[in-house]
Amino acid sequence: AQSVTQPDIHITVSEGASLELRCNYSYGATPYLFWYVQSPGQGLQLLLKYFSGDTLVQGIKGFEAEFKRSQSSFNLRKPSVHWSDAAEYFCAVGLGGYQKVTFGTGTKLQVIP
Amino acid sequence: SAVISQKPSRDICQRGTSLTIQCQVDSQVTMMFWYRQQPGQSLTLIATANQGSEATYESGFVIDKFPISRPNLTFSTLTVSNMSPEDSSIYLCSVGLAGGTYEQYFGPGTRLTVT
Repeated sequence: AQSVTQPDIHITVSEGASLELRCNYSYGATPYLFWYVQSPGQGLQLLLKYFSGDTLVQGIKGFEAEFKRSQSSFNLRKPSVHWSDAAEYFCAVGLGGYQKVTFGTGTKLQVIP
Repeated sequence: SAVISQKPSRDICQRGTSLTIQCQVDSQVTMMFWYRQQPGQSLTLIATANQGSEATYESGFVIDKFPISRPNLTFSTLTVSNMSPEDSSIYLCSVGLAGGTYEQYFGPGTRLTVT
C-alpha cells in the first residue's frame, strides 16, 4: 500500500543546532513531495516542494530538503534552528488522480534554549 | 499562491447540532479540499470539492454527515451535521493550484469542540 512515513514523532534540539527531519514514502513511482509546517493554532504553510530536477531544494525560512530516489526519502534540514521553528512538520506526497495529497503523521519539533 | 480565510475560527457546539464552516479564497481556483485533523493527529482528507460538480468523498466520510457546497470558484462550505464529541477536530480547507502539481495552500482552520 502507498504510504508516507515520518519515523520521529517528537524531536528536541537546542537553538542554533542543526536539524534533520526524516520522511520516507512507499510508492511505485516518484511522487510530488512537500514539506509543510504547522505552528500551534495555525493552518499549514508550505515550506518547500520537489517535482523534478535538482534533488536538493531550497525553501522558505532557511529550510532545505534532499530527494533520494534510492532511499525513497525526502528529508528536511536546517543548519541552525531558531526558537521560532518550534512547530509540527508534515511531509506530504502527491500521486495519482484528482490532485490528492497524502500526509505523514507529523514530527513535533521542540527547541530548547 | 492563494490567501484563504475560514469562518468561524473556532466554535463550541452541543451534540446533535450542526455547524457550517466557510472557506473563502482571494482568487478563482478549481480544486478545493476539506480536511479533518483530530487532536494530535495528521490530516485526513474528507472530500474534494470542484466547482460545477458534486463533491467526491473519501472512504469513511459520507455526504449526509459532511455536506459540502461549492457555489463558485472562490467559496465553499462544509457542514458538520448531527455532531458528536468524536467530531471535535480542526477542519481545514485548502486549494489546489492549476497545473497538476499537487501543490495546496491551506486556510487557518476551524477548531471545533463538541460537548
